[in-house]
Amino acid sequence: SFELTQPPSVSVSPGQTARITCSGDVLANQYVYWYQQKPGQAPVLVIYHGNERPSEIPERFSGSSSGTTVTLTISGVQTEDEADYYCQSPDSRGSLVFGTGTKLTVL
Amino acid sequence: QVQLVQSAAEVKKPGASVKVSCKASGYAFISNGFSWVRQAPGQGLEWMGWISPYNYKTYYAQKFHDRVTMTTDTSTSTVYMELRSLRYDDTAVYYCARDRRDYVDYWGQGTLVTVSS
Repeated sequence: SFELTQPPSVSVSPGQTARITCSGDVLANQYVYWYQQKPGQAPVLVIYHGNERPSEIPERFSGSSSGTTVTLTISGVQTEDEADYYCQSPDSRGSLVFGTGTKLTVL
Repeated sequence: QVQLVQSAAEVKKPGASVKVSCKASGYAFISNGFSWVRQAPGQGLEWMGWISPYNYKTYYAQKFHDRVTMTTDTSTSTVYMELRSLRYDDTAVYYCARDRRDYVDYWGQGTLVTVSS
């Protein structure tokens, strides 16, 4: 299998832009999916197929990719966006591989 | 709306087994598979395996393949995950999630399994 590496933490002030990266050798050829997890809650899908948002997810969430690094961008961060974020990609056999997770702190 | 409702928290002794259920509603049950994902306290997400309610096929992560069994009951729209030979490091929240082949889109609320003597 493969590994997906994320920074342990990212901090931003309200209204700023947060960028959370996910790196892995396979990412140049695969979609990445992003999940938000608030304390004590189940994860929620926020980005699928690289840059698609479920209908209930605000427009300030977006995804992008460059080579083997993908980025989740949250524009105009709000205090409610404070959470853990996980990237995920499938391996060749269909296993779901999750990233190491990033704690977003909104100062 | 899609809902996945899991069974209540469990406390088990080392060496025992636990069976967690996940009842789906709000969509055609057999149209999607289910993944099980666990999260140890303060840790990240770990995929355990997948089951298809359509053809009952399963695929388990290598780490769990000799201790886990996933089953489904289409008459009640429920999937189950049984983990055997529990160890202390199996203490975690176990989630079911609706599988979309390359990702999951809806998650259950989670079931805390505590392994303690």
